[in-house]
Amino acid sequence: QQPVQSPQAVILREGEDAVINCSSSKALYSVHWYRQKHGEAPVFLMILLKGGEQKGHDKISASFNEKKQQSSLYLTASQLSYSGTYFCGTDQTGANNLFFGTGTRLTVIP
Amino acid sequence: DTGVSQDPRHKITKRGQNVTFRCDPISEHNRLYWYRQTLGQGPEFLTYFQNEAQLEKSRLLSDRFSAERPKGSFSTLEIQRTEQGDSAMYLCASSPGRFSGANVLTFGAGSRLTVL
Repeated sequence: QQPVQSPQAVILREGEDAVINCSSSKALYSVHWYRQKHGEAPVFLMILLKGGEQKGHDKISASFNEKKQQSSLYLTASQLSYSGTYFCGTDQTGANNLFFGTGTRLTVIP
Repeated sequence: DTGVSQDPRHKITKRGQNVTFRCDPISEHNRLYWYRQTLGQGPEFLTYFQNEAQLEKSRLLSDRFSAERPKGSFSTLEIQRTEQGDSAMYLCASSPGRFSGANVLTFGAGSRLTVL
């Protein structure tokens, strides 16, 4: 039930772009994205419901392809504050019990 | 609204001892979740409550683990006869409980357990 994320880690210079992918072998009701900084709780970024919608938040956006059970998180013009581990959480039933991937560690350097 | 509170933040115990963690969710949230996170891994679902009813438990939750939410407010997670493999961060999250699927989880800072 655990989704697979790729890449496992990425290093960017400030201003560069990144894409983080999340895929599931199960049909999905929704996909949630969270960011966790070292020693802190995961913080909600966005949620995507089935229907292929795309959402954006400042310079972070995401898409959800329900036919492929895949979601991608797009970070553009990265900032130092974007550093952290990004997790996708997948909901298969709509009951909102999320199963999280192993995470993608993003490091943004000056 | 003070967010999700967890106590204690850190617990060191010897193998075989019992430990209990407490979670106070956001006051108007009906749903409460427990997750476990080990180093380098994503949070693993343990169980969740809708008000006081425990609706689902993961197979990860062995019979040494028990969770309660007696009045639909705070929750406790107890681990009996702790083992070194129980060492992890135990995260609590709460959500409003709408069935729409757009149910955002707010996480607490977690309770870190170290079993010696």
